[in-house]
Amino acid sequence: AQSVAQPEDQVNVAEGNPLTVKCTYSVSGNPYLFWYVQYPNRGLQFLLKYITGDNLVKGSYGFEAEFNKSQTSFHLKKPSALVSDSALYFCAAEGYSSASKIIFGSGTRLSIRP
Amino acid sequence: EAGVTQSPTHLIKTRGQQATLRCSPISGHTSVYWYQQALGLGLQFLLWYDEGEERNRGNFPPRFSGRQFPNYSSELNVNALELEDSALYLCGGRTSSYEQYFGPGTRLTVT
Repeated sequence: AQSVAQPEDQVNVAEGNPLTVKCTYSVSGNPYLFWYVQYPNRGLQFLLKYITGDNLVKGSYGFEAEFNKSQTSFHLKKPSALVSDSALYFCAAEGYSSASKIIFGSGTRLSIRP
Repeated sequence: EAGVTQSPTHLIKTRGQQATLRCSPISGHTSVYWYQQALGLGLQFLLWYDEGEERNRGNFPPRFSGRQFPNYSSELNVNALELEDSALYLCGGRTSSYEQYFGPGTRLTVT
């Protein structure tokens, strides 16, 4: 079965430190990969995506993600965390056939302490 | 441009009843996706409609159904409600760049 795994339910980081939120996938072919963020009372928003090309993709709010095909990973990173980055983060994968389902991970709660 | 709208914001039902949730996509967009976000389970893909037809569905029982209207708005129906159906139900669409966007959700509580 195809799946997306986010092995950490919660990640705690001090403000100003780098952060990493992990994601691995098991989806056939070369899936499209995404990160979404859910802020309290602000709904779920697109953050960044990997379709093809450079393995390091940059997104909103200073976030970036590194695609690693051999490890089937797509980890989210930021060089310097802000308290305002505290939110729930979801990794997602989609195969590119017309009937593909979009598979989301279970989410990782990121908590940035001042 | 108006975003995705969902109604109602909150819905409280009892076990065995039926719930109807509604979604209107961004103007001009023909696809609607439905997701269930239950506590601790992340987002689970429910249904995908495009041009009035169901294109794909997730691993949910048949009592989860829906439809898409000619104006591309959509309805999600959940029959014979169970306690575990309590969740936030999100609908949204997808841009031509493959990015999903979402409405604010309907919080369904089954008692």
